[in-house]
Amino acid sequence: QSALTQPRSVSGSPGQSVTISCTGTSSDVGGYNYVSWYQQHPGKAPKLMIYDVSKRPSGVPDRFSGSKSGNTASLTISGLQAEDEADYYCCSYAGSYFWVFGGGTKLTVL
Amino acid sequence: EVQLVESGGGLVQPGRSLRLSCAASGFSVDDYAMHWVRQAPGKGLEWVSGITWNSGSTAYADSVKGRFTISRDNAKNSLYLQMNSLRAEDTAFYYCTKMGPRGYNPHYFDYWGQGTLVIVSS
Repeated sequence: QSALTQPRSVSGSPGQSVTISCTGTSSDVGGYNYVSWYQQHPGKAPKLMIYDVSKRPSGVPDRFSGSKSGNTASLTISGLQAEDEADYYCCSYAGSYFWVFGGGTKLTVL
Repeated sequence: EVQLVESGGGLVQPGRSLRLSCAASGFSVDDYAMHWVRQAPGKGLEWVSGITWNSGSTAYADSVKGRFTISRDNAKNSLYLQMNSLRAEDTAFYYCTKMGPRGYNPHYFDYWGQGTLVIVSS
């Protein structure tokens, strides 16, 4: 049950696009199409942004998109806005009713 | 409106026990799998434990297996986490979270509580 690997930080200017990667193994990210992404602002609870690799819950802007290739999943945020500045966590199902999170990525909007 | 409200956190000495509760409202827990996720102060999220909608299956992270027990009371619309033999490394915010609708074979956490802080220290 090793944590998924995410970059510690990413940054971008308003209006630009950023991509956050999430690397696992064939036992988690690569083995299932069950990757989800969560946004967390300081002092707040996490919020679901993407599920099942690329699906967006109702109310999440279409600026947020997800994808996966092999053992690496990605979250892309286009048209960056100031309110997107937050921590982002990926999560993958790992079989046998286990889940594993990534270490988190701090997004800074310059 | 879906709400999850955790309670039961606090300061506890190493080796002692604590029981966390999560009161749900705005939905009926018996239709959903429920989980606990924790976050040490300033650190990332860690999945702790999960229980299926009918309590048929439970699972635990290796870090808590044998010490923590997850349970649910659908009649009280509540989720619990019994934490025994607590260690300093269990210090964290503990979040109650629900999975998506059962009929869709969900593998994601769509609603989260605000968390309850557990501090294990002498």
